Amino acid sequence: AQTVTQSQPEMSVQEAETVTLSCTYDTSESNYYLFWYKQPPSRQMILVIRQEAYKQQNATENRFSVNFQKAAKSFSLKISDSQLGDTAMYFCAFMNPLALNYGGSQGNLIFGKGTKLSVKP
Amino acid sequence: DTAVSQTPKYLVTQMGNDKSIKCEQNLGHDTMYWYKQDSKKFLKIMFSYNNKELIINETVPNRFSPKSPDKAHLNLHINSLELGDSAVYFCASSQPLQDYTGNTIYFGEGSWLTVV
Repeated sequence: AQTVTQSQPEMSVQEAETVTLSCTYDTSESNYYLFWYKQPPSRQMILVIRQEAYKQQNATENRFSVNFQKAAKSFSLKISDSQLGDTAMYFCAFMNPLALNYGGSQGNLIFGKGTKLSVKP
Repeated sequence: DTAVSQTPKYLVTQMGNDKSIKCEQNLGHDTMYWYKQDSKKFLKIMFSYNNKELIINETVPNRFSPKSPDKAHLNLHINSLELGDSAVYFCASSQPLQDYTGNTIYFGEGSWLTVV
C-alpha cells in the first residue's frame, strides 16, 4: 500500500526567507500524481501545486516550487519569499488515479500527517 | 462563487442523534468525495461517488451514508452519532479520473462536527 511521510511536524521561517518542506512516499506504481495542499487556520484545503510523475520537469507556481526526485520517491516543497499568509498546515498527498484496488476509492488521495509552518515577521 | 460548498460549517450535536451535511459543487464535475480529518489532522477518504458507482472505504462504519440527488450534490448522513465521530468533514469533487489525465480534487471549506 502507498504511504506518504512528512518528517517535519513543525517548521518556522522568517518573512521573506525561503523554506523547504520535505515529503517522501512509497509506491510500486510508475505513474501517479503528487500534490501539496495548504490548510490555513480556517481549515479550508487549498491546492498549492501538483506534479505528474511522468513529467521530469519540476512544477512551479509563483513562489512555490517542488523538487521531485522519482527514483528517491521524494517530493519536497520550496516556498520562496515567505509571507505571513503562508502560515498554515501543509499536506503532501499521493494519488494513483486508477487505484480502484487500493483500499477502496478511485481518486483516493493518501495524505501525509502534515507540517505546520509558521512564518514570523 | 464558491466551487465546492458545504453546510453547515459548524455543527454541535448530542450522542445518538442523526445529522446530515450537505455538499454542492458548481464545477460541473462528475465525481464527488467525502473526506474525514480527525483530531490529529489526519485526512482520510470515506467515499467516492461518480453518479454511477459508490465506492466506500471499508473502514467507514455503516452509520455513515452518502446520498446524491444529482451529480452536483453529495450529502453525508450520519446515524446514531458517537463521540468519535467528532471531526472535520470535507466534501470534494473532480472530473472522472481516467488514465493519467485526471483532474485535481478540489475541496470544500469543511464542516466541523462536534458530538457531545
